[in-house]
Amino acid sequence: RKEVEQDPGPFNVPEGATVAFNCTYSNSASQSFFWYRQDCRKEPKLLMSVYSSGNEDGRFTAQLNRASQYISLLIRDSKLSDSATYLCVVNPMNTGFQKLVFGTGTRLLVSP
Amino acid sequence: DAGVTQSPTHLIKTRGQQVTLRCSPKSGHDTVSWYQQALGQGPQFIFQYYEEEERQRGNFPDRFSGHQFPNYSSELNVNALLLGDSALYLCASSAPGTSGRETQYFGPGTRLLVL
Repeated sequence: RKEVEQDPGPFNVPEGATVAFNCTYSNSASQSFFWYRQDCRKEPKLLMSVYSSGNEDGRFTAQLNRASQYISLLIRDSKLSDSATYLCVVNPMNTGFQKLVFGTGTRLLVSP
Repeated sequence: DAGVTQSPTHLIKTRGQQVTLRCSPKSGHDTVSWYQQALGQGPQFIFQYYEEEERQRGNFPDRFSGHQFPNYSSELNVNALLLGDSALYLCASSAPGTSGRETQYFGPGTRLLVL
């Protein structure tokens, strides 16, 4: 079983749509969680950290369910510029060291 | 303020050769991590350097080695290249801290093609 699993997509949505991505992780001791965004042939960039209480940043909302080992990302009012691959990322280390484990990514295509 | 920089941007090698990739971290960052990203996959952790020592390592063979210099820059060396080593090699740096939540900032990567 992969440490971090995501639906690879692609998700094809029209502008203005709401889209949700899900991710599961296998290591129950994982301490920190992130969503990164990666544009085609570019480096990953941090979109947002994910906190136990859930957190929101503009049109983006992230949720964490530790009991189910499940992370989600909700994008509201999709823009053309949201087209990218969204990587679910987990730090399984509980020592303070950061070793990021990435899912394969979910590709989002937003069309006019 | 320059971000993470990597060189070269692209590289073509043949099987059996050796390669060295370089990374300069973001200003103020002391920790450098290296990742390998194969086509269609997420990045995979190779190792992390802090205070010039390797402190964490992923599931990569000993052909992959690294070094960190006193100015925090880092090198990734791969010996006896295989076709399967063709990938995007990403360097990420992070600021001092032990919470595990420090943001890792990625460089643009080096695209390695092994023929």
